[in-house]
Amino acid sequence: GQSLEQPSEVTAVEGAIVQINCTYQTSGFYGLSWYQQHDGGAPTFLSYNGLDGLEETGRFSSFLSRSDSYGYLLLQELQMKDSASYFCAVRGFGDSNYQLIWGAGTKLIIKP
Amino acid sequence: GAVVSQHPSWVICKSGTSVKIECRSLDFQATTMFWYRQFPKQSLMLMATSNEGSKATYEQGVEKDKFLINHASLTLSTLTVTSAHPEDSSFYICSASRGATSETQYFGPGTRLLVL
Repeated sequence: GQSLEQPSEVTAVEGAIVQINCTYQTSGFYGLSWYQQHDGGAPTFLSYNGLDGLEETGRFSSFLSRSDSYGYLLLQELQMKDSASYFCAVRGFGDSNYQLIWGAGTKLIIKP
Repeated sequence: GAVVSQHPSWVICKSGTSVKIECRSLDFQATTMFWYRQFPKQSLMLMATSNEGSKATYEQGVEKDKFLINHASLTLSTLTVTSAHPEDSSFYICSASRGATSETQYFGPGTRLLVL
């Protein structure tokens, strides 16, 4: 079967750095993406890693190691508005087409 | 950026009625659109993938006769929940990508369906 594992909840302090890990086991691998979803809202795209290494976008960075089937999202200088759920998703091959296979999401709780 | 709209954002209906949800890509042509449902505090569950001009591909366990999907143009896909029941109450979200292998999906704001 296909699965992605990420922690269900992470707590951090405003201004700190937090890392959310994701390990995956999928049929085919065409990249790892991260999405942010605030309560009551729809997911928004954060980052994509197609190759090994680190991708940086402002305060957010994402890392991929294909040999380890592992990636992480790094959030720096945490702000209260970063409180949300973060989903990793792997672009793999489903029953008949390319699709995103989703992790269960990590709820990030930020304390002042 | 790419903007995807969904309409309506909220629906309350009686059991047994049908509900249509529209998903539009406003500033790009979406070859592929995806329909998800999400229960509270859970991840996204892919229901089906639709490609413009062809039949949708449904995930295992999703009834195609109950959840009718039409992708009539490169900017519009519709999901119709037929004969809705209370267990169909959920958050339905569509997303669109520029191509079948595009790594990025752009999500609509979602539709909350409550079936009484």
